[in-house]
Amino acid sequence: QLQVQESGPGLVKPSGTLSLYCAVSGGSGTRNNWWTWIRQPPGMGLEYIGEMHYDGITNYNPSLKSRVTMSVDNSKSQFSLQLNSVTAADTAVYYCARGVNNAFDIWGQGTMVTVSS
Amino acid sequence: QTVVTQEPSFSVSPGGTVTLTCGLNSGSVSTSHYPSWYQQTPGQSPRALIYKTNSRFSGVPDRFSGSILGNKAALTITGAQAEDESDYYCVLFMGSGIYVFGAGTKVTVL
Repeated sequence: QLQVQESGPGLVKPSGTLSLYCAVSGGSGTRNNWWTWIRQPPGMGLEYIGEMHYDGITNYNPSLKSRVTMSVDNSKSQFSLQLNSVTAADTAVYYCARGVNNAFDIWGQGTMVTVSS
Repeated sequence: QTVVTQEPSFSVSPGGTVTLTCGLNSGSVSTSHYPSWYQQTPGQSPRALIYKTNSRFSGVPDRFSGSILGNKAALTITGAQAEDESDYYCVLFMGSGIYVFGAGTKVTVL
């Protein structure tokens, strides 16, 4: 049973860089799949951040594209998200999920990231 | 800017039927948008329900069904149960690896 689990700092300073990891366990790890980041500000809806294929292809939400970098480490079965120049508006629960059939079938439990000095 | 529209809220009686819709601020939703639907209860991660308009993910009860109704995607809950009280989000594929979430519909079962 494939599972994903987010990890990373829960607090980031304004103008800093948010860095999160998503560990993939079970199945064939990160290979042969698309991997997605989605976030949810407190009390609000879900927002697509972007996706990454195991071979390195990326697609980013145009509204975040200038600040987002995703990468994958197939040997460690994990993929990562970096978001630069963060502000309070980036405070959210961040989820990683597997992309399949143009949908997101397996989600992590989410990790809360607060942007504050 | 692409905006995916959903009803803010719906109320349904236990055992009743409710249909949630997912539209676009400009244009019609079609199967080419690969509509998918997710259920989220407070404090929990979203759960995938429907992909490619009308295919259920493994383990999803058959009281959940997806379709295209007119110019929108739709999620119908037939025979609603208390545990279906949740927020429901639709997602549309806009091409080039870009997905857009709707703002969600809060469903109350009472």
